[in-house]
Amino acid sequence: GAVVSQHPSWVICKSGTSVKIECRSLDFQATTMFWYRQFPKQSLMLMATSNEGSKATYEQGVEKDKFLINHASLTLSTLTVTSAHPEDSSFYICSAEVPLVGETQYFGPGTRLLVL
Amino acid sequence: DAKTTQPNSMESNEEEPVHLPCNHSTISGTDYIHWYRQLPSQGPEYVIHGLTSNVNNRMASLAIAEDRKSSTLILHRATLRDAAVYYCILTPIGYGGATNKLIFGTGTLLAVQP
Repeated sequence: GAVVSQHPSWVICKSGTSVKIECRSLDFQATTMFWYRQFPKQSLMLMATSNEGSKATYEQGVEKDKFLINHASLTLSTLTVTSAHPEDSSFYICSAEVPLVGETQYFGPGTRLLVL
Repeated sequence: DAKTTQPNSMESNEEEPVHLPCNHSTISGTDYIHWYRQLPSQGPEYVIHGLTSNVNNRMASLAIAEDRKSSTLILHRATLRDAAVYYCILTPIGYGGATNKLIFGTGTLLAVQP
């Protein structure tokens, strides 16, 4: 099946620093990727839809200036958490839509962020 | 977005079949029924999806009610590796992009006893 990778798998950073998370589709080209956040014991919350070559579409309540998304190629989307604070500590997961399979998405393994 | 209702948790014994129900009484004619599962500390994994007819794949079977207001994910022989949160999600038929975004509910936590 389609493979999606994320890097890094986990990161610890100091409050106020910025953290970049990469999401790659390894064996297919993804025009559309999605970013989710998941807090402990909770479900996944969609943050934004990332479209190659255009601006991301953010869900209501998600700060676009804090969570910068760039989808510069058909195999790579990045999420940058700017000026991270402890409340941004979470499990960040990306997914990619497989072309011609339509409505199925494949997910990355997730990135665990801890902000001290 | 059409809403789904699932039991919070279920238990099964290893090697036995498991039937995970999902109610979606407000489903529209253009909604697919998707099932994903999430193992602990991992990203979700696609399981199966269908529109009107029952579907089978190597992981599971999906039984869809005739009126499409409910569906059941069937794991034929549960293993310890099937312990996960199972999500039933409706997505509109589309051509990619924002129309296919997945809205996750709370899902069903499946525990498998040896």
